[in-house]
Amino acid sequence: EIVLTQSPDTVSVSPGERATLSCRASQSVSGYLAWYQQKPGQAPRLLIYDASNRATGTPARFSGSGSGTDFTLTINNLEPDDFAVYYCQQRYHWLATFGQGTKVEVK
Amino acid sequence: EVQLVQSGAEVKKPGESVKISCKTSGDNFSNSWIAWVRQMPGKGLEWMGIIYPGDDDTRYNPSFQGQFTISADKSLTTAYLQWTTLHDSDIAMFYCARRDSRGWLVHWGRGTLVTVSS
Repeated sequence: EIVLTQSPDTVSVSPGERATLSCRASQSVSGYLAWYQQKPGQAPRLLIYDASNRATGTPARFSGSGSGTDFTLTINNLEPDDFAVYYCQQRYHWLATFGQGTKVEVK
Repeated sequence: EVQLVQSGAEVKKPGESVKISCKTSGDNFSNSWIAWVRQMPGKGLEWMGIIYPGDDDTRYNPSFQGQFTISADKSLTTAYLQWTTLHDSDIAMFYCARRDSRGWLVHWGRGTLVTVSS
């Protein structure tokens, strides 16, 4: 099983600032990594796929980068709607796995 | 538009069985993988397993092996998740999600909450 470790567990950011979230894989997942956003009481929503491609409807302030074992989700100019929990997920291995999540909270 | 509509919340006693469903519409049900994801209260997302309704190919997360069964009915375009014996530890929200042609979970159901309490 490929373990994804996200850091930090929680990041406190003011609206208008930038948030940088990290996801590290226990072995290479090539570029087969996605990011999901989950708000309280809602299902997750796909934001970024294949490490750096924005899904339909994902605002341009969200960007993903990385390959192999180290990946980053950057959220520029944070808006109130962006405060949520973010999960990374790999599908390189047949057994897909999620990271434990990073909560982006208001500073 | 692809939609996944999940069955309603369930309240069961330990030892009881339950089967929850995920009705899909808007696309070819048989040609898309459907995944089930668990979220325990206040916790993260866990991949449970996935099914390809076209040939019923089913893959389970070994960490969950034997605890539940994933199935699908092509005629009803519905996927299922069922337990024969529930435990207190099975309390969670369960999401179904459809994988797109690129392999990612684009479409999600709203979730089904399963509560187990004596």
